[in-house]
Amino acid sequence: GENVEQHPSTLSVQEGDSAVIKCTYSDSASNYFPWYKQELGKRPQLIIDIRSNVGEKKDQRIAVTLNKTAKHFSLHITETQPEDSAVYFCAASPSGGSNYKLTFGKGTLLTVNP
Amino acid sequence: GAVVSQHPSRVICKSGTSVKIECRSLDFQATTMFWYRQFPKKSLMLMATSNEGSKATYEQGVEKDKFLINHASLTLSTLTVTSAHPEDSSFYICSASSSSGYTFGSGTRLTVV
Repeated sequence: GENVEQHPSTLSVQEGDSAVIKCTYSDSASNYFPWYKQELGKRPQLIIDIRSNVGEKKDQRIAVTLNKTAKHFSLHITETQPEDSAVYFCAASPSGGSNYKLTFGKGTLLTVNP
Repeated sequence: GAVVSQHPSRVICKSGTSVKIECRSLDFQATTMFWYRQFPKKSLMLMATSNEGSKATYEQGVEKDKFLINHASLTLSTLTVTSAHPEDSSFYICSASSSSGYTFGSGTRLTVV
């Protein structure tokens, strides 16, 4: 089955700096890669996703890059703010939006210091 | 957008009792519901996949007789934790796929005392 590795497990940055979280996956059949933000005790919230036919996607301060050949994808957050502090999870699925299960990384606790 | 309603949000039960958690898709039909368990400061671990009208598929290591899943309609899936023990205390969360992607319920914090 799919195996998703996520690094780092914790990341502390100063407000205004950039944050980068990296994930690798093992199953070449995976073609949908979402990123979720989860605050303590809350549900995961989708912040951005990318499909394998695209190498990069950006939404304001958030961007995701995908390298299918190397089987890795990364989340980039620019101009970080204290409210960006949360746990971030990457995930992979053979086909997003259908009935295929998501496999999650172990998560990254991001702390943005004012 | 797609909404999944999950209840209860918190439940405390005594050891040996059973607890039922419900997830409803409010504005779409969820043919498939995924059930996850999350320990504190850990990732979401898939427990089982339920398909409307058929038996759930459990992940390796998950006891199907302990975690009963029912998906009797396109809008409702339930997870029943039977004969609960303190080690079953965890955050349980469901997720359904829709045209908007994967939508999560708000989660259920189960504490077994």
